[in-house]
Amino acid sequence: GAVVSQHPSRVICKSGTSVKIECRSLDFQATTMFWYRQFPKQSLMLMATSNEGSKATYEQGVEKDKFLINHASLTLSTLTVTSAHPEDSSFYICSARDLDRLDTQYFGPGTRLTVL
Amino acid sequence: GESVGLHLPTLSVQEGDNSIINCAYSNSASDYFIWYKQESGKGPQFIIDIRSNMDKRQGQRVTVLLNKTVKHLSLQIAATQPGDSAVYFCAEKSQGGKLIFGQGTELSVKP
Repeated sequence: GAVVSQHPSRVICKSGTSVKIECRSLDFQATTMFWYRQFPKQSLMLMATSNEGSKATYEQGVEKDKFLINHASLTLSTLTVTSAHPEDSSFYICSARDLDRLDTQYFGPGTRLTVL
Repeated sequence: GESVGLHLPTLSVQEGDNSIINCAYSNSASDYFIWYKQESGKGPQFIIDIRSNMDKRQGQRVTVLLNKTVKHLSLQIAATQPGDSAVYFCAEKSQGGKLIFGQGTELSVKP
């Protein structure tokens, strides 16, 4: 149990285009999901907290108009990188917090974004 | 973000030896800590957790030690195997359920 999926696993796009990444909790409900980005050989940096049915909470320094987050249901959150640029190339990872086990976050497998 | 991006420290051990990975956390009020293992190109995988009312917890081949006095956490892996090679992160739970990740340690197991 407690599986989180991400789609796509890899995406390559041209500069200026937008990319949507999906995060799904497959066998549990998650009112809260988290989005992280990770650069090579570095730790995970929290970008935003996604709450079902309300606006996401962004960490300091993260542009909310650049990284659009939607959490429309208890099992799905999406991150859209708008007008992507090469510096947005990174590994994006989501996690979902189980409604019944609030301390536990389950991580997705990550999405490798490459912007040309 | 809340974590600091630094170049990963590395730990190299011989297969069969025990590994000890250390982590310093920042908030003395944190009451829940987790160790994650991350293999290349994958998301973090839960290993073991510990609450602040404990100072030691054991799992299968892993032990987590918590020293609240000096805000230090360690992960011990017994009889380290090549499959244990990965990056290991500690994380502390902060307000709102957010996890603050440590910088990570890259464990390399030599056969």
